[in-house]
Amino acid sequence: QVQLQESGPGLVKPSETLSLTCTVSGDSISNYYWSWIRQPPGKGLEWIGYLHYSGSTDYNPSFKSRVTISVDTSKNQFSLKLTSVTAADTAVYYCAGRGGWSFHYWGQGTLVTVSS
Amino acid sequence: DIQMTQSPSSLSASVGDRVTITCRASQTMSGYLNWYQQTPGKPPKLLIYAASSLQSGVPSRFSGSGSGTDFALTINNLQPEDSATYYCQQSDNTPYTFGQGTKLEIK
Repeated sequence: QVQLQESGPGLVKPSETLSLTCTVSGDSISNYYWSWIRQPPGKGLEWIGYLHYSGSTDYNPSFKSRVTISVDTSKNQFSLKLTSVTAADTAVYYCAGRGGWSFHYWGQGTLVTVSS
Repeated sequence: DIQMTQSPSSLSASVGDRVTITCRASQTMSGYLNWYQQTPGKPPKLLIYAASSLQSGVPSRFSGSGSGTDFALTINNLQPEDSATYYCQQSDNTPYTFGQGTKLEIK
């Protein structure tokens, strides 16, 4: 059974960079496409981007200039960096694994608050 | 971007009822339409993929249908544990997009 666990700071200052890591266990990171998805408090879901273990990526144009998703296959981890954050980036951030064309696997989510 | 519009935004139903949630896409899709269930404080859970395929382990009272631009999630014989928010999501094109959610309350 694939399990995902997000980790990273829960508080980021405005204008700084949000950095999160997702650790994949139970299967190889090479078997799926990996995404970051966020959910502002009380709101809906927003896809940020995906990465394949080969390094290929695709990002939501809403974030394109600020986002980088990268992989560390040796650690079975992938990461999110979002630069120049504002209060609007406060959200629960989920890592998710896409099997086929749907998100089969989800982390528990981590709340990141942007505040000084 | 493909915009996904769900209706209703919320509904209330009783145990044993049948409910249908609809999802309309802003353009014709190939069929990569998925449904998720989310309860408070938890990540979404995949229920239906490719419009009508039931994810392993999901009760058979959940079903999906539709094609083109119009899709539906139907829950038969509603149970108390079905109280949740339901989201549709398209994987036809990036950026992948979600509907705004439908909150289902069990009376």
